[in-house]
Amino acid sequence: EVQLVESGGGLVQPGGSLRLSCAASGFTFSDYYMDWVRQAPGKGLEWVGRTRDKPNSYTTEYAASVKGRFTISRDDSKNSLFLQMNSLKTEDTALYYCTYPGCTSGWCLGDAWGQGTLVTVSS
Amino acid sequence: DIQMTQSPSAMSASVGDRVTITCRASQGIGNYLTWFQQKPGKVPKRLIYGVSTLQSGVPSRFSGSGSGTEFTLTISSLQPEDFASYYCLQHNSYPYTFGQGTKLEIK
Repeated sequence: EVQLVESGGGLVQPGGSLRLSCAASGFTFSDYYMDWVRQAPGKGLEWVGRTRDKPNSYTTEYAASVKGRFTISRDDSKNSLFLQMNSLKTEDTALYYCTYPGCTSGWCLGDAWGQGTLVTVSS
Repeated sequence: DIQMTQSPSAMSASVGDRVTITCRASQGIGNYLTWFQQKPGKVPKRLIYGVSTLQSGVPSRFSGSGSGTEFTLTISSLQPEDFASYYCLQHNSYPYTFGQGTKLEIK
């Protein structure tokens, strides 16, 4: 069974930084692209970004709203996904989900989701 | 960026009704269209991917169709557990984009 457990959320001031982690199990982590998706309180879903796998040089893609401020990385040896968030803004306040695509080569998304970790950006 | 316009944003319906939700893309997205269901306080759940492929375990009353820029999610006969929010997602080109969601409520 696929399991994704996010951690690292919390309260941070505007302009601050936070690093989220996602511990994955139940599948061969290194074989899959991985995505982060967020949801602001009472709002809809927003795709944050993706990391590809080693054969694709771990390259990344980002939403325009976070590009240049957020960085996605992974450690295949530890089955872990990360989201480094810098220069945080109040509009980054959201529940952040780690997601498993369910297929290799990145043509799908969202087969499994973690429970999310809440990030609150406020002074 | 590709914009996904989902309609309606909210609707009310009765158990047994047939319901259709539409997503329109600002440009062609091939078959890279996925539908999710989210109940209050719960994690999103994938219902349909590749426009029309039903996720394992999802009841057959759910179906997806469409091509090019217009896509639909249909629930053939609403059940009490179907009252939730629904989102479409295009993953044809980056950045991926969700529709704004449809909140389906009990009439």
